[in-house]
Amino acid sequence: AQSVAQPEDQVNVAEGNPLTVKCTYSVSGNPYLFWYVQYPNRGLQFLLKYITGDNLVKGSYGFEAEFNKSQTSFHLKKPSALVSDSALYFCAVKAAGNNRKLIWGLGTSLAVNP
Amino acid sequence: DAMVIQNPRYQVTQFGKPVTLSCSQTLNHNVMYWYQQKSSQAPKLLFHYYDKDFNNEADTPDNFQSRRPNTSFCFLDIRSPGLGDAAMYLCATSREGGSYEQYFGPGTRLTVT
Repeated sequence: AQSVAQPEDQVNVAEGNPLTVKCTYSVSGNPYLFWYVQYPNRGLQFLLKYITGDNLVKGSYGFEAEFNKSQTSFHLKKPSALVSDSALYFCAVKAAGNNRKLIWGLGTSLAVNP
Repeated sequence: DAMVIQNPRYQVTQFGKPVTLSCSQTLNHNVMYWYQQKSSQAPKLLFHYYDKDFNNEADTPDNFQSRRPNTSFCFLDIRSPGLGDAAMYLCATSREGGSYEQYFGPGTRLTVT
């Protein structure tokens, strides 16, 4: 069965420190992976995606993510966290055999402390 | 700027009173989705349209219906809202044959009294 796991419900980091939000996946075939961010009472905003190519992908707002095929992971990273990065982060993977659906992780709440 | 627009942003309805939420897009995407999201949980797909082809999720209650009169607009109808239907409703779009990411509107927060 296809699935996405975000093992941490919450991540706390001090402003200026690097942050990592973890995501692992289980899919058949080549994965198409995505990260979204959601601020309170807002829709989801697309941050970045991995389809193919370089394992390190760069996205919006200084975020990047590293695809690791052997570990089936796609961790979201940022070298220096901002208080304004505090939000809910979702990892998602395209469902195999259905190009139109995404399978979502449960989300990780990121709190960046001043 | 191309975008996904949802109206209203906040909707209050009474128990059992039909309500319609609307979504429009200027991205010219051929796929449109409706999600339900409760209290910071993962979004739950209700259904999606590929052009005019409607695709319902197996666990979506019959109480939820949708219409897509044209490429730009899509509506979510809740025929008889219950207290359990209070949630954020998110509309999203994507382009068939593209790179599969979905673009979301700001959501409509539905309250049922």
